[in-house]
Amino acid sequence: DGGITQSPKYLFRKEGQNVTLSCEQNLNHDAMYWYRQDPGQGLRLIYYSQIVNDFQKGDIAEGYSVSREKKESFPLTVTSAQKNPTAFYLCASSIDLGGSQHFGDGTRLSIL
Amino acid sequence: GENVEQHPSTLSVQEGDSAVIKCTYSDSASNYFPWYKQELGKRPQLIIDIRSNVGEKKDQRIAVTLNKTAKHFSLHITETQPEDSAVYFCAASNAGNMLTFGGGTRLMVKP
Repeated sequence: DGGITQSPKYLFRKEGQNVTLSCEQNLNHDAMYWYRQDPGQGLRLIYYSQIVNDFQKGDIAEGYSVSREKKESFPLTVTSAQKNPTAFYLCASSIDLGGSQHFGDGTRLSIL
Repeated sequence: GENVEQHPSTLSVQEGDSAVIKCTYSDSASNYFPWYKQELGKRPQLIIDIRSNVGEKKDQRIAVTLNKTAKHFSLHITETQPEDSAVYFCAASNAGNMLTFGGGTRLMVKP
């Protein structure tokens, strides 16, 4: 069954800690994305990757980092520099950069 | 770059009435316009999309219309039901440029 898997579903971060959110897709999509969604708000782009070994900053990249070493995987690290990390994080993928995006079920991150 | 504006931000209708959500875009090169539905706490899901070579597309109770000249497109939901209550996002893109999302519309269908 093809799709996007995000893990964990819930994550708690301590002060000064880096945490990594996982995103894996088996749709053979080239492009992948990370969005942040705050309660009652829209989708804000953190990073995107058009192809393996390449990624670009989105609108709110500060305090976040990503890697794209494999086509299937696009992990997001929320660093200690992100002072307000509490949000719902959504990963998405698409066949190419302009195509329809398929979303994972999201990771809800909170501060301990 | 592309800019997509979506209105209204909230919409309340009675069950059985129609709902219309409108989006405008700025880049005349945009040629793909999807709509997503996001239920509370869940992921956005594609519900319908339209490309610039057609003016209207229907799928049961939902339809999308596109006016390329005016650079706006709309989502129409007829015979609304409580399960239509959700946040709806419009988006626009063209080849080589990723989707730009609107700010979202919270639709509430009152039984």
